[in-house]
Amino acid sequence: DTEVTQTPKHLVMGMTNKKSLKCEQHMGHRAMYWYKQKAKKPPELMFVYSYEKLSINESVPSRFSPECPNSSLLNLHLHALQPEDSALYLCASSQDVPDQPQHFGDGTRLSIL
Amino acid sequence: GESVGLHLPTLSVQEGDNSIINCAYSNSASDYFIWYKQESGKGPQFIIDIRSNMDKRQGQRVTVLLNKTVKHLSLQIAATQPGDSAVYFCAENIGGGSYIPTFGRGTSLIVHP
Repeated sequence: DTEVTQTPKHLVMGMTNKKSLKCEQHMGHRAMYWYKQKAKKPPELMFVYSYEKLSINESVPSRFSPECPNSSLLNLHLHALQPEDSALYLCASSQDVPDQPQHFGDGTRLSIL
Repeated sequence: GESVGLHLPTLSVQEGDNSIINCAYSNSASDYFIWYKQESGKGPQFIIDIRSNMDKRQGQRVTVLLNKTVKHLSLQIAATQPGDSAVYFCAENIGGGSYIPTFGRGTSLIVHP
């Protein structure tokens, strides 16, 4: 079982819907990440939070809006997504120091109709 | 054998054989390297890591070798089992205190019983 929990596991939504992805970890990690992964590709970094503050936004469209309510929780709010946004969305956490591996959740499989 | 092309590189082995998965990294300033295993429907899982002041590190049935001269990393899996079938990603942390890895493109390992 993964120590990073993501909900929901699957999500199907229309292009006009608003939904949120959730991620939770209780390892005391102070860095949390959102990645997008297409089939047969490596994870692509979207956002990084460090000590609950957004530190990196990899030029992600504004229809994706991250939020870090506290050190254990990370949300990704979705609005007006496009079919090409269909992918696996992975959350990860790590110690906010160099030379530490990331711990990944099992992702949310998102399908945009 | 190994095939590399437009699709995900694939390595097919027989159960019980040793597997070697290779990775070329891009930045000579990278100082920390991680191997992840991603099974179908799951997030990447940490396997083993190595710092740039080492050239070899061993875990349980896995060994990582680092050749900084040619910027090459390999993962050796001893006595490969069907449960080892997955996609394997190498990741590098760019030096200078970064804690955000850059993922390589991945290799699909298929173990035949």
